[in-house]
Amino acid sequence: DSVMTQSPDSLTVSLGESATINCKSSQNVLYSSNNKNYLAWYQQKPGQPPKLLIYWASTRESGVPDRFSGSGSGTDFTLTISSLQAEDVAIYYCQQYYDTPPTFGQGTKVEIK
Amino acid sequence: EVQLVESGGGLVQPGGSLRLSCAASGFTFSSYLMHWVRQAPGKGLVWVSRINSDGSSTSYADSVKGRFTISRDNAKNTLYLQMNSLRADDTAVYYCARVYGLAAAWFGYWGQGTLVTVSS
Repeated sequence: DSVMTQSPDSLTVSLGESATINCKSSQNVLYSSNNKNYLAWYQQKPGQPPKLLIYWASTRESGVPDRFSGSGSGTDFTLTISSLQAEDVAIYYCQQYYDTPPTFGQGTKVEIK
Repeated sequence: EVQLVESGGGLVQPGGSLRLSCAASGFTFSSYLMHWVRQAPGKGLVWVSRINSDGSSTSYADSVKGRFTISRDNAKNTLYLQMNSLRADDTAVYYCARVYGLAAAWFGYWGQGTLVTVSS
């Protein structure tokens, strides 16, 4: 199974500052035939189900603010929140869908300083 | 609007059984691959099982293989998870999730979840 490792486990950022979350896959999730990275990012707020933010590593889901961006390829990926807002307090998960089973990172908790 | 509503959770003793249901609406249920994902209290997300659109193909996490069975009734727009031989470490919120699109394997839609507690 692909192991997804996120860093850091938690992050405290001032309002308006940038937050960066890293995700490393134990296996390559770039599919060479279509040059797409099979990686998604989700946001989960307390008491709520996860919400899709980004797929194909960098494609923002409709309705997601453009302060959220994804980057990376192969085994190393990053989620950046460019100007943290109070409503961004949540746990963020990366997930590979390159193979079965789909696997998630352990989550990164983002809080306000 | 896509809606997924889970039910069937509750308190069960170790070794017991439960059947979870996920009622789907707002889309053509019979066209989509569906999943169950669980989250133990205070922990991360763990994939449990998936079933293809017509129910002919299923897959399970090693931790539940042989104990859980995923199924669907496309006439009733409902996904199921039969859970047998339950253990304390099966305690979690169980989410049903729909893939984003017909050729898109990430989780696009999630239900609110149903809590399963395995305890004596």
